[in-house]
Amino acid sequence: DTEVTQTPKHLVMGMTNKKSLKCEQHMGHRAMYWYKQKAKKPPELMFVYSYEKLSINESVPSRFSPECPNSSLLNLHLHALQPEDSALYLCASSQGRQGNRANYGYTFGSGTRLTVV
Amino acid sequence: GNSVTQMEGPVTLSEEAFLTINCTYTATGYPSLFWYVQYPGEGLQLLLKATKADDKGSNKGFEATYRKETTSFHLEKGSVQVSDSAVYFCALIPSAAGNKLTFGGGTRVLVKP
Repeated sequence: DTEVTQTPKHLVMGMTNKKSLKCEQHMGHRAMYWYKQKAKKPPELMFVYSYEKLSINESVPSRFSPECPNSSLLNLHLHALQPEDSALYLCASSQGRQGNRANYGYTFGSGTRLTVV
Repeated sequence: GNSVTQMEGPVTLSEEAFLTINCTYTATGYPSLFWYVQYPGEGLQLLLKATKADDKGSNKGFEATYRKETTSFHLEKGSVQVSDSAVYFCALIPSAAGNKLTFGGGTRVLVKP
């Protein structure tokens, strides 16, 4: 299995809703990432989990809350979002060790297209 | 810091034309270099990579050579198809500890029949 699976593919939510994005990989990768991508822009890093611990938070607002229940799963909990949070949210995974990460790169999921109304 | 600069698009060309997308980088040490492709409405797919100077990455008819002397990793394809229409991102991972994937701005390519 060489895929990163993200669900749902599309999500429309109101500003008072609570929802979650899910990401799963079975490649044995020990680093997992959340990215946000606005139209016509490159992905922007939000969070990094390394060996199931949060290692990087790129100053993301607290209305986004990541969770890594185990080495295969990554969630992003959403609450009280704003319309400007509408974007494509991408999950990625990579080898845990720095050297292997550089050798093999990251594997990305197909993303969740989020619309906040 | 680390950065990647790509030629701005969109690049519009006809089927069977030659494609070049320029990419240059700034990084300390010896980064690994990548090209990712994003088809409309989809996530990113790794297209090819090179991990050391003079390495050539290739996949699906695309090629790129890691040029340390010019800090470049230009993407080329000899004969494009309509199905190659996508956004292409050049990226690097530095060799130093704490390395993160750094993207260029992306280049949109439109191939017309």
